Amino acid sequence: QVQLQESGPGLVKPSETLSLICDVSGYSINSGYFWAWIRQPPGKGLEWIASIFRTEKAYNPSLKSRVTISVDASKNQFSLILSSVTAADTAVYYCARDRNRHFDYWGQGSLVTVSS
Amino acid sequence: QSALTQPASVSGSLGQSITISCTGTSSDVRSDNSFAAWYQQYPGKAPQLMIFEVTNRPSGVSNRFSGSKSGSTASLTISGLQAEDEADYYCSSFTVSSTRVFGTGTRVTVL
Repeated sequence: QVQLQESGPGLVKPSETLSLICDVSGYSINSGYFWAWIRQPPGKGLEWIASIFRTEKAYNPSLKSRVTISVDASKNQFSLILSSVTAADTAVYYCARDRNRHFDYWGQGSLVTVSS
Repeated sequence: QSALTQPASVSGSLGQSITISCTGTSSDVRSDNSFAAWYQQYPGKAPQLMIFEVTNRPSGVSNRFSGSKSGSTASLTISGLQAEDEADYYCSSFTVSSTRVFGTGTRVTVL
């Protein structure tokens, strides 16, 4: 059974950097498929942020300048870095397995609040 | 990239059938590909995949859920509506630019 678990600070100050890690169990992250970050601001819809498979990466054009996604295969985890955050980046951040055409396994989500 | 367009809300009575639409562009949901998926999300919970590649159901998903597509519009039909179907539903697609995009989301209410 594939399981994903997000971790990271729940509070980030404006203009600082948001960092999240997704631990994957039940599947080797280098075996295949992309791995994605998706977010959902409170009371709003889902927004795809980025996806990665080994060194191949895809970014949402609207966030690309501030986002870095990376994989640590030795720890079977992948991470998200979002720089220069504002209140608009307050959201529940999900990690998910990305089959290109759909996301089949999701983490439970991690709420990140941007506030001073 | 723009979000796929869904109706904000759809409602139906117990036992009825409802259909949720998801309209894209020539860059994503198109008649010549199978890039449409659907997710169900309860408040405070992570989304769950309900339909992938337009018409396919993952193991464990009720056969009351079915998907279809016509041109640039994908649809999710819920038959025999039950109280537990009250949730938010999102579509998603892969795009020609190798990005992913979600729909605006639809709140389903069971009357």
